[in-house]
Amino acid sequence: AQSVTQPDIHITVSEGASLELRCNYSYGATPYLFWYVQSPGQGLQLLLKYFSGDTLVQGIKGFEAEFKRSQSSFNLRKPSVHWSDAAEYFCAVGFTSGTYKYIFGTGTRLKVLA
Amino acid sequence: NAGVTQTPKFRVLKTGQSMTLLCAQDMNHEYMYWYRQDPGMGLRLIHYSVGEGTTAKGEVPDGYNVSRLKKQNFLLGLESAAPSQTSVYFCASRLGGTGAYEQYFGPGTRLTVT
Repeated sequence: AQSVTQPDIHITVSEGASLELRCNYSYGATPYLFWYVQSPGQGLQLLLKYFSGDTLVQGIKGFEAEFKRSQSSFNLRKPSVHWSDAAEYFCAVGFTSGTYKYIFGTGTRLKVLA
Repeated sequence: NAGVTQTPKFRVLKTGQSMTLLCAQDMNHEYMYWYRQDPGMGLRLIHYSVGEGTTAKGEVPDGYNVSRLKKQNFLLGLESAAPSQTSVYFCASRLGGTGAYEQYFGPGTRLTVT
């Protein structure tokens, strides 16, 4: 069955430290991959997406993600976290055929220490 | 360009009451979705639509009905609200077709059923 796993429910980092949020998926082919961010009380905003080509993709707000086919992973990274990055982050998978649905991970809540 | 809007933003219902949540998008998107978000469970798809006059069930459709009479609007109905339907509801839309199209989200509706 298709699934998305975000193994870290909560992550705390200090401002200025680097960040990596993990995302693993289960699907028989290469899916479309997305990272969204949700600030408190807000809807979801797209950070970046991958569908083909270069496996390192750049997004907004200084985020990047790397697709690793061998590990079925699409981890989100940021070299230096800002206090305003505190939010919840969702990985999502879209499928290349047969369905127009998306599957979301359960989210990782990021806390940033001053 | 308002993007995706949702009405109302907050609502409190008593068990057994009915209500309709309205989603509107002004991006001429073909596909629209309704999700519910509960703590620790990410976003779960309730119903979706791939075009005017069409709807389909998602992961958790029981207790909900939808209609897409106009391309820009997607309505979510609760005929007899239950406390288990207390949640935050998000609407999303995207372009049609099988490309790697991201979803655009509304700001959410917080529903409490007592």
